Amino acid sequence: DAKTTQPTSMDCAEGRAANLPCNHSTISGNEYVYWYRQIHSQGPQYIIHGLKNNETNEMASLIITEDRKSSTLILPHATLRDTAVYYCIVRVEGFQKLVFGTGTRLLVSP
Amino acid sequence: EPEVTQTPSHQVTQMGQEVILRCVPISNHLYFYWYRQILGQKVEFLVSFYNNEISEKSEIFDDQFSVERPDGSNFTLKIRSTKLEDSAMYFCASRVGRERAEKLFFGSGTQLSVL
Repeated sequence: DAKTTQPTSMDCAEGRAANLPCNHSTISGNEYVYWYRQIHSQGPQYIIHGLKNNETNEMASLIITEDRKSSTLILPHATLRDTAVYYCIVRVEGFQKLVFGTGTRLLVSP
Repeated sequence: EPEVTQTPSHQVTQMGQEVILRCVPISNHLYFYWYRQILGQKVEFLVSFYNNEISEKSEIFDDQFSVERPDGSNFTLKIRSTKLEDSAMYFCASRVGRERAEKLFFGSGTQLSVL
């Protein structure tokens, strides 16, 4: 799996947008970018994934650069419940496992 | 939304004892996984399972570990002789297995404490 680089931690004010960056400069053409989060010690929770195009769902938006070497997860209006560790993972199509790194610890404050 | 269910939520055992962690994946899913997370560390892949056999396993998944799908709904992880270092949160996950890119659904985990 291609490796990803994320900041160790980030802060965000409640109600503001949280923009979480991820570098994946060695990504190859058939690798998807996935974002998961882990709230406290709960099981990882899927947020969003994409290949080339920007994606949006009810939880977040994913912006992937044209060269696909980096991406940004956007939580448009962060709440206190969004405080979690966010993982950016690249995964080969059809390749079965997800490999988790250390992620970004996002703290949303009032 | 459908959920992956894990039981028990907490399990305490003595070193050297066998433990079985149980999972009920989402009903139409075909691929099953076990991950673990030692306190303060990363989520680590253990094993994936498809079509009643192991499809991939990590170095952690040695002869002390085994997985089984004993019936059409349960997926179990057995540790034959537990060690202190097996203390961790164990997560089960599943996915449908029919699309190019799919999300994994994770259970809420079983906290295993080996004394």
